[in-house]
Amino acid sequence: EAGVAQSPRYKIIEKRQSVAFWCNPISGHATLYWYQQILGQGPKLLIQFQNNGVVDDSQLPKDRFSAERLKGVDSTLKIQPAKLEDSAVYLCASSLGTGISYEQYFGPGTRLTVT
Amino acid sequence: AQKITQTQPGMFVQEKEAVTLDCTYDTSDQSYGLFWYKQPSSGEMIFLIYQGSYDEQNATEGRYSLNFQKARKSANLVISASQLGDSAMYFCAMTAGGYNKLIFGAGTRLAVHP
Repeated sequence: EAGVAQSPRYKIIEKRQSVAFWCNPISGHATLYWYQQILGQGPKLLIQFQNNGVVDDSQLPKDRFSAERLKGVDSTLKIQPAKLEDSAVYLCASSLGTGISYEQYFGPGTRLTVT
Repeated sequence: AQKITQTQPGMFVQEKEAVTLDCTYDTSDQSYGLFWYKQPSSGEMIFLIYQGSYDEQNATEGRYSLNFQKARKSANLVISASQLGDSAMYFCAMTAGGYNKLIFGAGTRLAVHP
C-alpha cells in the first residue's frame, strides 16, 4: 500500500512570498491532518479534515495560512505571506477515522526555510 | 487542556541494553489513546506502539513495550535490546478533543552507542 505522499520535500523562499504544499493521503483514509514541526519541538496540529470538511483549525494562523481538501482526497496548504517564524517542517498525515485508536500515518514532510 | 511532558531531552544507551523513555500526560478525558512515534534523522514519523486508556494490559510490539500507569498518568516507552538503528527522536502523543487530534510532547533524542 502506498504511503502518504508530499511535495515538495524542500522549499526555500523569502519572507513575504507565498508557498504551497501538496499532500496525497493513503487511499481510503477519511481523515487528513497538517502539522507544523518547528526545529527541536514536537509536531503541532494546524488543521484537520474529515472527508471534505474542516473539523479543527483552532491553531491555524488564518490571516496567512489556508488549506483545502479537494474531493475528500488530496490537500494543499498555503502560506501567504510567509514570515521568518514559518520556517519548519510541514507534515501531512492521514488515518482511517477519528477514533482514539486510529493510527496516523505520516508523510515525509516538507522542510520550509524562510529567509 | 491536554498536555504531554517528556522530561528527558536526550538519552544514551549501550547497544543491546534496555532503555526507558519517560512520558507523563494530563487530561480530564476518561477515554483517550497514547502513542509513541519514532522520528529518524530522515524526518518521517514512524508509529511504534499504542495504548488505550481502558486497556488493562500494557501494550507490546516486538522490542517495544509501553509501561502504562494510569493513576500516575505516565506512559513510558521501554525499548529492549537496543540497536544502533534505534538512534532517533522519540515522541509521546495522546489523542485530544472531539475528533481525537494528536498532542505531542517535545521529544527525547536517543543515542545508541556500540
